[in-house]
Amino acid sequence: ETGVTQSPTHLIKTRGQQVTLRCSSQSGHNTVSWYQQALGQGPQFIFQYYREEENGRGNFPPRFSGLQFPNYSSELNVNALELDDSALYLCASSLGWTDTQYFGPGTRLTVL
Amino acid sequence: SQQGEEDPQALSIQEGENATMNCSYKTSINNLQWYRQNSGRGLVHLILIRSNEREKHSGRLRVTLDTSKKSSSLLITASRAADTASYFCATDAEYGQNFVFGPGTRLSVLP
Repeated sequence: ETGVTQSPTHLIKTRGQQVTLRCSSQSGHNTVSWYQQALGQGPQFIFQYYREEENGRGNFPPRFSGLQFPNYSSELNVNALELDDSALYLCASSLGWTDTQYFGPGTRLTVL
Repeated sequence: SQQGEEDPQALSIQEGENATMNCSYKTSINNLQWYRQNSGRGLVHLILIRSNEREKHSGRLRVTLDTSKKSSSLLITASRAADTASYFCATDAEYGQNFVFGPGTRLSVLP
């Protein structure tokens, strides 16, 4: 167990809807990174938050947005859901952006 | 952009045998990490090796790094059925802020 938790575990949405995924980081960690993992592929970096500021972003459109709170927990928001957004969404916390990342169990999002 | 690329894509071995997976990347890195993932669950961190290190061990795991060839290998000795999982390498850019994962090696250990 890494101490990183994510909610919900599973989620089903329809195309065009909006979704919010949540992540609680491991105690003492100030950095949270979000990844999208399609079936059979490796995780793809969405963005990272360090001390409540976005600290890097992958090749994802602006409808993917996030927040990090003072307690270092984080949210991933996705607007105007598309079928291709169906994936496992993983968050990882770390102490600094170059340190080992500890992953949560993920949220499985299905878009119908 | 840089990317870790694991090889082979899939590997099937008998319990007790050794499993070797390789990872190649394109640009200079600070660190390279290996992760394991069971059945679409969260990733479990195995080993971090820094660019100035050549070899690290953790239990039955041995990781090597050759920065001149931009490659790393993960060796699992005396494999067990519980080692059945997908294994990913992740590299961080020397001047970047995120880790880049490869597509993974799917390891099956048969009893």
